[in-house]
Amino acid sequence: AQTVTQSQPEMSVQEAETVTLSCTYDTSESDYYLFWYKQPPSRQMILVIRQEAYKQQNATENRFSVNFQKAAKSFSLKISDSQLGDAAMYFCAYRSTNYGGSQGNLIFGKGTKLSVKP
Amino acid sequence: DTAVSQTPKYLVTQMGNDKSIKCEQNLGHDTMYWYKQDSKKFLKIMFSYNNKELIINETVPNRFSPKSPDKAHLNLHINSLELGDSAVYFCASSQGTWGGYTFGSGTRLTVV
Repeated sequence: AQTVTQSQPEMSVQEAETVTLSCTYDTSESDYYLFWYKQPPSRQMILVIRQEAYKQQNATENRFSVNFQKAAKSFSLKISDSQLGDAAMYFCAYRSTNYGGSQGNLIFGKGTKLSVKP
Repeated sequence: DTAVSQTPKYLVTQMGNDKSIKCEQNLGHDTMYWYKQDSKKFLKIMFSYNNKELIINETVPNRFSPKSPDKAHLNLHINSLELGDSAVYFCASSQGTWGGYTFGSGTRLTVV
């Protein structure tokens, strides 16, 4: 079974600085999807960024980018120019490309709580 | 327009009661899910359902049952509520093999 590990329960960053959140995963599959979700205090789950494993190029969405190291099974999230609104729980998640049954489920890490200091 | 909507947002009830949480999606997605987020923020799948198949996580007590009147709705029924059922419950939907989910805003269930 696949697992997702986020080793940093909490992180802190100064406003306008850059922070990197770590995520590792374990799988025997060669193709899959990886995601970062943000959960602010409003508790809404917001998709931040996604990566298809077959793509070597790291995904980027404005101030958010990932460092995807497939061989190392590592998927870190970099937030540049941090803003107060970035303060939230961040969840790394894995999903198989197989569709059907339980394989389509998102498997989440335990989350990293990010604080942004003004 | 809200893509995935859940009602109610908050639910406080006594032990032993039966309650339901409703979920509707207007995205035309073919699969819907229920996730439970515990007090430590851990998210775990409870059910996934599409037109063909209901998949139940084996750890979910049979007091929990999903009901889907149509493709756009997946409601969650909980019988004989227990204190340990207190959590935030999220509904979500997805389409095809593209991986991302769209989540509802969650329902905070408190059992007293």
